[in-house]
Amino acid sequence: QKEVEQNSGPLSVPEGAIASLNCTYSDRGSQSFFWYRQYSGKSPELIMFIYSNGDKEDGRFTAQLNKASQYVSLLIRDSQPSDSATYLCAVGKGAQKLVFGQGTRLTINP
Amino acid sequence: DADVTQTPRNRITKTGKRIMLECSQTKGHDRMYWYRQDPGLGLRLIYYSFDVKDINKGEISDGYSVSRQAQAKFSLSLESAIPNQTALYFCATSEDNPGELFFGEGSRLTVL
Repeated sequence: QKEVEQNSGPLSVPEGAIASLNCTYSDRGSQSFFWYRQYSGKSPELIMFIYSNGDKEDGRFTAQLNKASQYVSLLIRDSQPSDSATYLCAVGKGAQKLVFGQGTRLTINP
Repeated sequence: DADVTQTPRNRITKTGKRIMLECSQTKGHDRMYWYRQDPGLGLRLIYYSFDVKDINKGEISDGYSVSRQAQAKFSLSLESAIPNQTALYFCATSEDNPGELFFGEGSRLTVL
């Protein structure tokens, strides 16, 4: 079992709809959770982080964390073609280690 | 100019050659990292350094070595490159939180 698992996709969503990206992790001791966006041919960039159970909203993005079920998700409301990218889930374990999932490729169709 | 700069951006080399990838940063961060990205495998940590005197192995350090020449410079070396080291390599920096990473533009390495 991988430490951090994502559906590699591709996930195709119509423009204006909600895109839902999911991530599960295996270590119950994980403490911090991050979502990175990576456009094709570019480097990853941090878009959201969440440390506590529940929802955290930032503009059109909402991160959701459920530690009991060991999953974290990212919702993108009013999806735009510019949201088409690979989204990487990363899980922090203590002060030093960050483990990435394999990424989900998202395509927003106009 | 990018805050985290990697050189070279692209490199093709042959099996057995020594290769160095260089990273420099102007963000003033103490922490620097080298990651490798392969299709379907995500990003995997090779080495990390929390200051000039601190070097630590990541999950896939075999076949690699690093040097932290200064707070702003962190180099990755492949002493004898092999084809399965063909990948996209990213340097990254962070402040105190290792999850909040700032990545360089990447160095694509092909080993024939």
